[in-house]
Amino acid sequence: DAGITQSPRHKVTETGTPVTLRCHQTENHRYMYWYRQDPGHGLRLIHYSYGVKDTDKGEVSDGYSVSRSKTEDFLLTLESATSSQTSVYFCAISENRASGANVLTFGAGSRLTVL
Amino acid sequence: GIQVEQSPPDLILQEGANSTLRCNFSDSVNNLQWFHQNPWGQLINLFYIPSGTKQNGRLSATTVATERYSLLYISSSQTTDSGVYFCAVHPGGSNYQLIWGAGTKLIIKP
Repeated sequence: DAGITQSPRHKVTETGTPVTLRCHQTENHRYMYWYRQDPGHGLRLIHYSYGVKDTDKGEVSDGYSVSRSKTEDFLLTLESATSSQTSVYFCAISENRASGANVLTFGAGSRLTVL
Repeated sequence: GIQVEQSPPDLILQEGANSTLRCNFSDSVNNLQWFHQNPWGQLINLFYIPSGTKQNGRLSATTVATERYSLLYISSSQTTDSGVYFCAVHPGGSNYQLIWGAGTKLIIKP
């Protein structure tokens, strides 16, 4: 199994505070993703990265920023957390198969509660 | 954009039963993946199956891309099969964007 570690696994914070979630991989995969999962919405892509310092927005990127300074780390930052960002956040990695498709492997998730 | 619909939304079965989960998509796709989210929230990739049939133990999947659907078969269900099953597709022209179905929630009773 791919080695993906998310931290912290659980966090409770207050509205207006900054929050950073970390995703660390040991697989040297090129592609990394941040998703959020909410009841009734399934998984939604926040941001993704296709290489060091190469990132792009997903469908729900407002209020989030990301950074990838090393292949193994992908950080998700909420500059000023809001209650609407209470969610479970999943990091995923993928290898680029020869066919060009990206098969995703997920981390264990980080549960964030914004009070 | 592409629509992904999964059926049934909920399924309750006795241990030992077989089940078929369906995923319909509205446009051509680059690939299709099936995931299982267990009751503890962990997401596991079951199959990468853009077309054809694959089998892994009691689970198998078939994708008929020309008819825009995929089926996930679970045979001899066990309580550990409980959870939510998602299909997700890459729209044609994209290798990064995954469009997710709403999932099928499966409960296996002992």
